[in-house]
Amino acid sequence: DIVMTQSPLSLSVTPGEPASISCRSSHSLNSNGFTYFSWYLQKPGQSPQLLIYLRSTRASGVPDRFSCSGSGTDFALNISRVETEDVGTYYCMQALQTPITFGQGTRLDIK
Amino acid sequence: QVHLVESGGVVVQPGESLTLSCATSGFNFRNYAMHWVRQAPGKGLEWVALISGDGIEESYSDAVKGRFTISRDNSKSTLYLQMNSLRIDDTAVFFCARGLSRIGIPGNIAFDFWGQGTLVPVSS
Repeated sequence: DIVMTQSPLSLSVTPGEPASISCRSSHSLNSNGFTYFSWYLQKPGQSPQLLIYLRSTRASGVPDRFSCSGSGTDFALNISRVETEDVGTYYCMQALQTPITFGQGTRLDIK
Repeated sequence: QVHLVESGGVVVQPGESLTLSCATSGFNFRNYAMHWVRQAPGKGLEWVALISGDGIEESYSDAVKGRFTISRDNSKSTLYLQMNSLRIDDTAVFFCARGLSRIGIPGNIAFDFWGQGTLVPVSS
């Protein structure tokens, strides 16, 4: 199974400041020119929502302050200017092979 | 507008069976792979199973293989999860999720729409 490891597991950010969450995969997620890697945000009390897929494509309606960098096995979700609505738990996920696996989650809150 | 609505979550005892449903609308259901993902209380996300759009391909996590069965009725745009021999550690909120697809990109990409989840407490 591909293991996804996130860090940090929690972070506290001042509104307007940047934030970054790392995710490392135990296996390259590249195949046939595509990277089967995605990020999700689960806001408190809600279902997860897709933020970014195929490493760098933002899902519909996702603000451009969210971006993803990295390739192969090391990725980072970057938030250029954190807003209060960004509070929640962020998960990375690989879909290259089954079982599809998630990172442990990173909880972001506001200072 | 895409909607996924899970139902069927009730309190069950260890060893019992339960079937969850996920009613969908707003898209051509048969064109999309569908997944079940669960989340134990206070824990992270765990993928459970997938089924292809035509219902031919299925895949399961090791934790549920042999006990759970995913199925779909494309005429009703509904996804199911038959759960047998339930254990206390199966207690979770179960989400159904639509598999994102793009022409020319094989395999699973991501989950672009999620239901609100249904809670399955397994308790003696």
